[in-house]
Amino acid sequence: EIVLTQSPGTLSLSPGERATLSCRASQSISYTNLAWYQHRLGQPPRLLIYGASSRATGIPDRFSGGGSGTDFTLTISRLEPEDFAVYYCHQYGSSFGPGTKLEIK
Amino acid sequence: EVHLVESGGGLVQPGGSLRLSCAASGFTFSDYTMNWVRQAPGKGLEWISYISGSSRNKYYTDSLKGRFTISRDNAENSLYLQMNNLRVDDTGVYYCARSGAVSGLESWGQGTLVTVSS
Repeated sequence: EIVLTQSPGTLSLSPGERATLSCRASQSISYTNLAWYQHRLGQPPRLLIYGASSRATGIPDRFSGGGSGTDFTLTISRLEPEDFAVYYCHQYGSSFGPGTKLEIK
Repeated sequence: EVHLVESGGGLVQPGGSLRLSCAASGFTFSDYTMNWVRQAPGKGLEWISYISGSSRNKYYTDSLKGRFTISRDNAENSLYLQMNNLRVDDTGVYYCARSGAVSGLESWGQGTLVTVSS
């Protein structure tokens, strides 16, 4: 079973700053199967990125994804107040990573 | 507009059973793979299972195989999760989610709360 790890566990930044979140797989996975989600308290998760780098419908272009093999990245170019949430990477049809909490500094 | 509404959650004793439902609307249900995902209190997301549009393919996370069964009724636009021999650590919010055409879970319901406790 492929295990996803995310780093950092918590990221403290200010609005307007750039956020870089990492997701590492225990073995190589197809980039087509890697997605990122945003999860705000009290709401269902929201798909941000699928296929490692494709933005889902309605997602602002400040969100971008990249990577391949075992290392993937979600970047938020300029943080907005509504971006502070928990972010998960996910291998389609398998496990989620443990999440990165993005909090206001 | 895609709409997914889960139901069937509630309080159940350890060892009991529960059947969750997800009513889908706003899209051609039989064209899409559907998933169940859960979140225990204070924990992260856990993918449980998915079922293809025709029900031909079903996959489960290893830890839940044998206790949970996914199914669907395309005539009723409904997805189900039969949960047997429930344990305290099955407590959490259970979401149904529609897969995208390529990958990713692109639409989610609001979730239904399952509490396993004596």
